[in-house]
Amino acid sequence: GENVEQHPSTLSVQEGDSAVIKCTYSDSASNYFPWYKQELGKRPQLIIDIRSNVGEKKDQRIAVTLNKTAKHFSLHITETQPEDSAVYFCAAKRRQNFVFGPGTRLSVLP
Amino acid sequence: DVKVTQSSRYLVKRTGEKVFLECVQDMDHENMFWYRQDPGLGLRLIYFSYDVKMKEKGDIPEGYSVSREKKERFSLILESASTNQTSMYLCASSFLTGANSPLHFGNGTRLTVT
Repeated sequence: GENVEQHPSTLSVQEGDSAVIKCTYSDSASNYFPWYKQELGKRPQLIIDIRSNVGEKKDQRIAVTLNKTAKHFSLHITETQPEDSAVYFCAAKRRQNFVFGPGTRLSVLP
Repeated sequence: DVKVTQSSRYLVKRTGEKVFLECVQDMDHENMFWYRQDPGLGLRLIYFSYDVKMKEKGDIPEGYSVSREKKERFSLILESASTNQTSMYLCASSFLTGANSPLHFGNGTRLTVT
């Protein structure tokens, strides 16, 4: 089955700096890769996603890159703000099933 | 906006009790999922369903069962609750088709088994 690894498990950055979270997946049949943000006590919310036939996607300060050959994808957050502090999960979808990484706790220090 | 509603935010149950967690979605999604969230382990799939009365085991189905009698409702059942089932339970739903069909989550049920 699919296995998704995610690094780092915790990340602290100064406000205004960039943050990068990396994920790898094992199943080459996975074709859709969403990223979720979970604030304390709240539900995971989709922040950006990418399909397997696309290499990069950007939405304001957030971007995701995908390297299908290497089976890894990354989340990039630029100009970080305190409200970006949360746990971020990557996921890989194969058929109807989603497999999640263990999460990255991002702290943006003012 | 998609709404996935879980019936309870917090539950406290005793060991051996039968526990029902209910989830309802209002977007006519075919797929529904139950995940368990534990620190450092991320979200692990317990069961999912892609149609009424259909169910598939996820990665950690032991000790759980599910019921999908109506398209909008998906129930998770703990037949005999144990302390190692103390966790956050998240329900989610999505469309069946379409590569860009993300999961939409409920607010979660924090279950404590004593």
